[in-house]
Amino acid sequence: SAVISQKPSRDICQRGTSLTIQCQVDSQVTMMFWYRQQPGQSLTLIATANQGSEATYESGFVIDKFPISRPNLTFSTLTVSNMSPEDSSIYLCSVGAGTGVTGELFFGEGSRLTVL
Amino acid sequence: GENVEQHPSTLSVQEGDSAVIKCTYSDSASNYFPWYKQELGKGPQLIIDIRSNVGEKKDQRIAVTLNKTAKHFSLHITETQPEDSAVYFCAAKAGGFKTIFGAGTRLFVKA
Repeated sequence: SAVISQKPSRDICQRGTSLTIQCQVDSQVTMMFWYRQQPGQSLTLIATANQGSEATYESGFVIDKFPISRPNLTFSTLTVSNMSPEDSSIYLCSVGAGTGVTGELFFGEGSRLTVL
Repeated sequence: GENVEQHPSTLSVQEGDSAVIKCTYSDSASNYFPWYKQELGKGPQLIIDIRSNVGEKKDQRIAVTLNKTAKHFSLHITETQPEDSAVYFCAAKAGGFKTIFGAGTRLFVKA
């Protein structure tokens, strides 16, 4: 299993500002995933972060809006840039239990952002 | 790409009754089907999963069934308890590292 800590757990932000979310894992992992969960909605993958390489973004998400860092095998950050009210969501950091096809995902408790 | 549909979006049952949540997937290459439970203010947590070479799996009060031909899989919770109240997500994963989630089912168990 993996224990994932996210900071901040919640924040209220002003339109046009940026916020960086931190994700710390208690073990070394190759891949870390960032998900967005809009109010009452499902989980949408933003990007996959590998250590030592550029993050891979899903359709509809771009690096300028959601820059990601992955400086080592236990840590990653996601920045939500130039925020608007539409960015109000829960942002979840996740890691996989195994490689390849199977393997559960472990999630942090999420960072709930409200943009005014 | 993969698409996962989940029904119902909301389910209300009396304590002790059974609850069934159904999902369909589109990508025939999908071969791993996890179910996650998300309690208020927390991240999703795996409760049971099934691989494509298995038709049914049970763990105490929860069970999952898979029909590969129809691309259907379902979660069954028996003898529901108030602590089962949460949002449940089905998901599917094919080759690669990407897990696609259904829209979620909000389960209410009334005492």
